[in-house]
Amino acid sequence: DAGVIQSPRHEVTEMGQEVTLRCKPISGHNSLFWYRQTMMRGLELLIYFNNNVPIDDSGMPEDRFSAKMPNASFSTLKIQPSEPRDSAVYFCASSLAVGTPDYGYTFGSGTRLTVV
Amino acid sequence: QKEVEQNSGPLSVPEGAIASLNCTYSDRGSQSFFWYRQYSGKSPELIMSIYSNGDKEDGRFTAQLNKASQYVSLLIRDSQPSDSATYLCAVRYFGNEKLTFGTGTRLTIIP
Repeated sequence: DAGVIQSPRHEVTEMGQEVTLRCKPISGHNSLFWYRQTMMRGLELLIYFNNNVPIDDSGMPEDRFSAKMPNASFSTLKIQPSEPRDSAVYFCASSLAVGTPDYGYTFGSGTRLTVV
Repeated sequence: QKEVEQNSGPLSVPEGAIASLNCTYSDRGSQSFFWYRQYSGKSPELIMSIYSNGDKEDGRFTAQLNKASQYVSLLIRDSQPSDSATYLCAVRYFGNEKLTFGTGTRLTIIP
């Protein structure tokens, strides 16, 4: 299994530009999560989907952020317009709820976003 | 506010000794608990999970859960330099898919 695949690995963009991060979850997983990690705030959940449906987007900072999951194998996180404070590592993770409640997530390699 | 708290460290442990990492959580509705290891510049990697009170062992790792006291710990026996990383504690609440993470404890194993 190729694991959770994220692209790009690194993104440097100018303030005000649109940024799109992409994620392909593990095949067969039915939940997908977008997290943001910074030194100050650690890992924060932005949004998660179950069976392609957004379930909880309470962590999305503001209207500049949007996420979609058009099918079971692809999701995007878009920031428009981007700001320097959006600089962080963005992780995508996926999971499949089976059996006992201690099933965990598998994380992708992350996208390091720098907004200048 | 549902919180997961960890000592940020750094925690330094001599090679071959036992490293003990602790995590407390505020919500008694917490169902299952996770320890992730994150090397610098890498993504978090699941190393242990537990949902029943008591101990759960996997190789050199032991997770301990005490729901009455609302803490979960991770013991690493025979610590190796390759264990040097940040360890993240995470909690899943009943009826919810998402994990809430602590800010992590940085562990350094001294050769």
